[in-house]
Amino acid sequence: DIAMTQSPLSLPVTPGEPASISCRSNQSLLHSNGNTYLDWYVQKPGQSPQLLVHLGSIRASGVTDRFSGSGSDTDFTLKMSRVEAEDVGVYYCMQGLQTPQTFGQGTKVEIK
Amino acid sequence: EVQLVESGGALVQPGGSLKLSCAVSGFDSSGSAMHWVRQASGKGLEWVGRIRSKSNGYATAYGASVKGRFIISRDDSNNMAFLEMNSLKTEDTAMYYCTNKQNWGQGTLVTVSS
Repeated sequence: DIAMTQSPLSLPVTPGEPASISCRSNQSLLHSNGNTYLDWYVQKPGQSPQLLVHLGSIRASGVTDRFSGSGSDTDFTLKMSRVEAEDVGVYYCMQGLQTPQTFGQGTKVEIK
Repeated sequence: EVQLVESGGALVQPGGSLKLSCAVSGFDSSGSAMHWVRQASGKGLEWVGRIRSKSNGYATAYGASVKGRFIISRDDSNNMAFLEMNSLKTEDTAMYYCTNKQNWGQGTLVTVSS
């Protein structure tokens, strides 16, 4: 199975400041078709998860451009250009290259 | 508006069975893989399994913890997906979500306890 490791696991942030979350896989997530099967999700308090970024860097429909995904191979980053209070929640990366598909442990983002 | 609505969650005894349903509206899910993801209280997300589309042979895959006990199916004529859970264990207690990754349901709670 592909293991996903996120860091940090807890991220206190200041509104208006940038923030980033790292996600690493123990195998390359690059498919032979050229796509990289890495998604980012956020689960806000009391809500279901929602897709932020898929295929490593493509923002999902309706997602603000304050969020950006980058990286390749085994090393990925989710960046928030300016954190807002509504961004609090737990952020997960997930690989979809192989089954079983696997999530990272989650990074809890909270306001300082 | 796209909606995924799970149902069927309940309290069930260890060793019992349960079948969850996921009703999709607002889009034709027949071309999408449908996944089930679960979350134990206070814990992270765990991928349970998925069923691919008809064009991909309705292929299924499962996480190690449920393989051999859970079965995912779909009814494209009614825009629905299902999760049949057998030989349930206390560690299967969780909120169960259906998703095509772009869209998620609100979840249905399964509690396995005597």
